[in-house]
Amino acid sequence: NAGVMQNPRHLVRRRGQEARLRCSPMKGHSHVYWYRQLPEEGLKFMVYLQKENIIDESGMPKERFSAEFPKEGPSILRIQQVVRGDSAAYFCASSPHNNQPQHFGDGTRLSIL
Amino acid sequence: AQKITQTQPGMFVQEKEAVTLDCTYDTSDQSYGLFWYKQPSSGEMIFLIYQGSYDEQNATEGRYSLNFQKARKSANLVISASQLGDSAMYFCAMREDNQAGTALIFGKGTTLSVSS
Repeated sequence: NAGVMQNPRHLVRRRGQEARLRCSPMKGHSHVYWYRQLPEEGLKFMVYLQKENIIDESGMPKERFSAEFPKEGPSILRIQQVVRGDSAAYFCASSPHNNQPQHFGDGTRLSIL
Repeated sequence: AQKITQTQPGMFVQEKEAVTLDCTYDTSDQSYGLFWYKQPSSGEMIFLIYQGSYDEQNATEGRYSLNFQKARKSANLVISASQLGDSAMYFCAMREDNQAGTALIFGKGTTLSVSS
């Protein structure tokens, strides 16, 4: 019974590189959400996607961050030209409908050197 | 203003005792959902329990129950018969249903420590 799968679990990048975080939702779930957790804080919403559509990106930084959820394959959160402040845990969640509980993956811990 | 407030940064409880983790929320929506998640030291986020704003009965899931007091805008988590494995960070979250995004808004969390 596969849950939400995120990879990699840990990702190390140098400043200026690109980071790609992947998320495969639970089977039957077509709604995907990305959250960011800074140390010692709760999760902050970034973006909500359905297949091929961005529904709400109100939590996304205006520059360097983008997300997609293609018709085939996982959802991708992409961070270009990473900076130290991007170091955080990035969580993906999915749900079968937008009013159902969201189930989270184990997160990707991004560290910027 | 904070949408979700968890006033207890840390809580300590003995094994087999019950513990209540506080959560208050702020919304003008009539339809909303309240959630609790557990985050152990390994880092994953585990869904525990859900309460809809129109649900008349308090939600229960095994040893977890949600003490929902709508007039006071509180949604406290009660863990009965604490176990060592309950030691973790606990987050309260809210979804406001009239928002297109249906994103979850999280509190800052409460760290629960269970001792033997």
